[in-house]
Amino acid sequence: GAGVSQSPSNKVTEKGKDVELRCDPISGHTALYWYRQRLGQGLEFLIYFQGNSAPDKSGLPSDRFSAERTGESVSTLTIQRTQQEDSAVYLCASSSEAGRSNSPLHFGNGTRLTVT
Amino acid sequence: GDSVTQMEGPVTLSEEAFLTINCTYTATGYPSLFWYVQYPGEGLQLLLKATKADDKGSNKGFEATYRKETTSFHLEKGSVQVSDSAVYFCALSDRGGSNYKLTFGKGTLLTVNP
Repeated sequence: GAGVSQSPSNKVTEKGKDVELRCDPISGHTALYWYRQRLGQGLEFLIYFQGNSAPDKSGLPSDRFSAERTGESVSTLTIQRTQQEDSAVYLCASSSEAGRSNSPLHFGNGTRLTVT
Repeated sequence: GDSVTQMEGPVTLSEEAFLTINCTYTATGYPSLFWYVQYPGEGLQLLLKATKADDKGSNKGFEATYRKETTSFHLEKGSVQVSDSAVYFCALSDRGGSNYKLTFGKGTLLTVNP
């Protein structure tokens, strides 16, 4: 596709359930990032993929959060045993080359997760 | 650690008014600086950037100058339009540290009325 695609756009889940969020980056982009934005807060970095490996998972808030990427393409962010504080907009971005200012991040529209 | 502080909104202006959104930063290295914009219903997109001191980034009539002495990167536009209504995010990428990830401010909502 032309841009970064995320699904679902909205997800409401009950506390304690697991959720999976999907990201389809721009074709050919080797770098992929997950961020989240809680209400009234700035974007928080979660994890970065270069190809299929994740050199930096430092932003994942707990071991309930995990992510994988396959085929140097699609990525899935999984949150197990969701808690209300997990409610946020989860944003995925991709870039053609990590760490270069002439390779800007292209963001998807995000998945709005609400944990009830 | 790295941080970005930007002007809290919301900001409401009339069309053709002058816009300034303040942004200051702290970084351990020598960062690149960015402004991203999120229009209603769309994903964040890069508006402009500057990679070294005294550089001026510009796009769509917006400008921001990298001021190392004041650690600032204020966004300005001389005459805003209704179509500029959006959320604006200041961000940095610290080349001395994790240069592949961005540190964002909280965002400033701008509403321009006709």
